[in-house]
Amino acid sequence: SYVLTQPPSVSVAPGQTAWVTCGGNNIGSKSVHWYQQRPGQAPVLVVYDDNDRPSGIPERFSGSNSGNTATLTIRRVEAGDEADYYCQVWDGSSDRWVFGGGTKLTVL
Amino acid sequence: VTLKESGPALVKPTQTLTLTCTFSGFSLTTTGMRVNWIRQPPGKALEWLARIDWDDDKFYSTSLKTRVTISKDTSKNQVVLTMINMDPVDTATYHCAREGGSAYGMDVWGQGTTVTVSS
Repeated sequence: SYVLTQPPSVSVAPGQTAWVTCGGNNIGSKSVHWYQQRPGQAPVLVVYDDNDRPSGIPERFSGSNSGNTATLTIRRVEAGDEADYYCQVWDGSSDRWVFGGGTKLTVL
Repeated sequence: VTLKESGPALVKPTQTLTLTCTFSGFSLTTTGMRVNWIRQPPGKALEWLARIDWDDDKFYSTSLKTRVTISKDTSKNQVVLTMINMDPVDTATYHCAREGGSAYGMDVWGQGTTVTVSS
């Protein structure tokens, strides 16, 4: 089955840029979606189809996807960005959704 | 667009869990529309469970496909998830979420309902 690998944690100072990676075999050939989940809340879609943003999501959030790694980039990080972030793809070979293990973003 | 999960907060081991997702603002008769179920055990990652499409196609997690059934009632705007033979490891918050296609992700989620499996 397809596996997505994320670092358990990433730390960043306010105002800096955070990168959250998501590794998978030839993930560059798939559409990657990213979710933000604040404590006690439901996940929120922040990037879809590698680098598109739903309405209402700040331009500070962007994504890229190539080869075996997809990356969520958060520029000018704010305290409110502290959350768990999950990547997701549809595995067409098995017709299943797959989530990464999640990355906890800590704003120092 | 809103989705809301409902069901029992507590079930006993070996029992069957039935959860209902009641939604508004869209129709599951619209071509391309899908509803998914996802769960999250306390302190753990999201786990996808099942999906049902506008044309009644159904997809299941490989690890849970023998225990899970998804169905829809378009007249009531509801999607139902049934999970048999519940175990304490199934204790989790269960979410339903709308999906407009695999290239679009799950754009709207319900708040989730917490299910505890304990005798």
